[in-house]
Parts: sequence; structure tokens; C-alpha cells
Amino acid sequence: EDQVTQSPEALRLQEGESSSLNCSYTVSGLRGLFWYRQDPGKGPEFLFTLYSAGEEKEKERLKATLTKKESFLHITAPKPEDSATYLCAVQGGSNYQLIWGAGTKLIIKP
Amino acid sequence: GAGVSQSPSNKVTEKGKDVELRCDPISGHTALYWYRQSLGQGLEFLIYFQGNSAPDKSGLPSDRFSAERTGGSVSTLTIQRTQQEDSAVYLCASSLAGRDNEQFFGPGTRLTVL
Repeated sequence: EDQVTQSPEALRLQEGESSSLNCSYTVSGLRGLFWYRQDPGKGPEFLFTLYSAGEEKEKERLKATLTKKESFLHITAPKPEDSATYLCAVQGGSNYQLIWGAGTKLIIKP
Repeated sequence: GAGVSQSPSNKVTEKGKDVELRCDPISGHTALYWYRQSLGQGLEFLIYFQGNSAPDKSGLPSDRFSAERTGGSVSTLTIQRTQQEDSAVYLCASSLAGRDNEQFFGPGTRLTVL
């Protein structure tokens, strides 16, 4: 069964304190792994797509990496405006549907 | 419009009543998705529309749930005889055909069933 697990559930950091969020997945024939950001009261906002192990994508203070079993979202020198819930999703086989993790709530304290 | 819009933003109803949730996708996006988001859980797929093809209703949790998409644009999700366990945020997303990895989400409708 396709499955996505994100850890930790919540992460509190001081401004400037770098860290990583984890997304572990089990899927038949990975077609893509996706990271989204969700702010309170809003829908998820697309960040990255990763297609194969070893691939990396960067956007401002965020860098996403992918292995055959997991993905990491590295956040470097975060700012309070990076506070949000970060969602991971995978797409496998011939199915267009995305399987979503429960998210990691990131809080950056000034 | 510039993005996906949903209405109402909040809906409080009594158990047993019917509710309709509306989604207006981005113009030109032929794919439309409905999800349910409950606290502490991942997004739960409900239904998928793509152009004029028959919708994929495999995610609908019961026959109390139904959805329509008129004219390939606006979609309505209807929940009949609401139950307390239906309380959640209902999210709508749209995408270009074949670009289901990059979905654009609306702000959601928070449904509370008393």
C-alpha cells in the first residue's frame, strides 16, 4: 500500500537555526515526490517536484533532496515568515492520484 | 480569476442537513480535484474531474457525497444528511491537463457539523 510518513509532526526553531524535515514514502513505481507549503487558513502552495533519487531542488532558503526511500526538506537560516505546515506527497505507478503525508508544522521564533 | 476560489469559507450546519460547497477553478485548467483535510491527517482524495471524461469518484467516502462540474468549470460538492464526522476542511484544486503534480489550491471551506 502506498504510504507517506512525515516527521517530526512539529518543529520549533530559532530564527537562523537550520534544520531538516523528513518525508518517508512507500510507493510502487515512483513517478514524482512533491513538497507543498500550507499557511493557516489557506490551501497548499506548490514548492517542488522531485522525480528520481539524487535529484535536488532549491528555492530561497529551502532545498529538497530525494533518495529511494525518503525526501528531506532542508531549511537554511530560516526566518519567521518560513513558519508554515510543509506537506509531502507522492505519485506512483500509472495513478494520477497523489498520496499525502500529514505534514510538519514548522514554527520559526524571532 | 487569478486563483482558485471556494465558497463559502466557513459553513456551520446541523446534523442531518444538506450542504453545497462551491469551487471556481483557474481559467483554462481542465483538471479539478476535491480533497478533505482533517486535523492531523493528510489530504484525503475525494473526486477528480478531467475535461469531458467521466469523473473519478473512487475517493468519495459514502453515497451521501456527490459532485458535479458544469461546463467544465465551476464544481459543486454536495454532502447530504451531514454527520459530525464530515466536519473538516474541504479543499479544491485545479491543474492543467497532465500536470497533476502541480495543483493550485483554493483556500478551502471549513465545514462544522453540530
